Amino acid sequence: SAVISQKPSRDICQRGTSLTIQCQVDSQVTMMFWYRQQPGQSLTLIATANQGSEATYESGFVIDKFPISRPNLTFSTLTVSNMSPEDSSIYLCSVGDGFFGPGTRLTVL
Amino acid sequence: QQQVKQSPQSLIVQKGGISIINCAYENTAFDYFPWYQQFPGKGPALLIAIRPDVSEKKEGRFTISFNKSAKQFSLHIMDSQPGDSATYFCAASKAGGYNKLIFGAGTRLAVHP
Repeated sequence: SAVISQKPSRDICQRGTSLTIQCQVDSQVTMMFWYRQQPGQSLTLIATANQGSEATYESGFVIDKFPISRPNLTFSTLTVSNMSPEDSSIYLCSVGDGFFGPGTRLTVL
Repeated sequence: QQQVKQSPQSLIVQKGGISIINCAYENTAFDYFPWYQQFPGKGPALLIAIRPDVSEKKEGRFTISFNKSAKQFSLHIMDSQPGDSATYFCAASKAGGYNKLIFGAGTRLAVHP
């Protein structure tokens, strides 16, 4: 199984700012996934990121709010833009076979 | 077609008892069914997963039972321990797991001593 790391592990941000979350995998993977887990809720897929192509966003999520980069087969970033308190969540990246990174706990004040 | 329905929402079990959590799906294209365990403040950890070519998979005290015709699968935790107290999520995916996961709503399990 792949080893997945995320940075930062947590952050507290002010309303209206943006945060970029990094996801690093120890092996090359074709597809990377970004999920959001709101407090007390289940996980919801934000988008699928393939290297060399535009990310595919799920219904309810847009590129302007959650821009994603996938510069190579081991790395991806998710930016949460123009944040509001409703964006307070755990953000998780995942690769194939169902393994997740440790998550980024974001609190927006 | 994309939903995965999980029940119960919460479960209380005595130490040593059996915890059973159920999930049902609609999309027959799903071919990978993992279960996740999540402790407060942590990300979900893959616990056990099954593919539809088998009806049961066991790893230690954790067993998945899979009923393809009923489109249901369940997690059984034998000899439940207080340390098993966590939230459990079922999920489903296509392409053997190398695709996006659709999650159930979660079950909050409390194992009382």
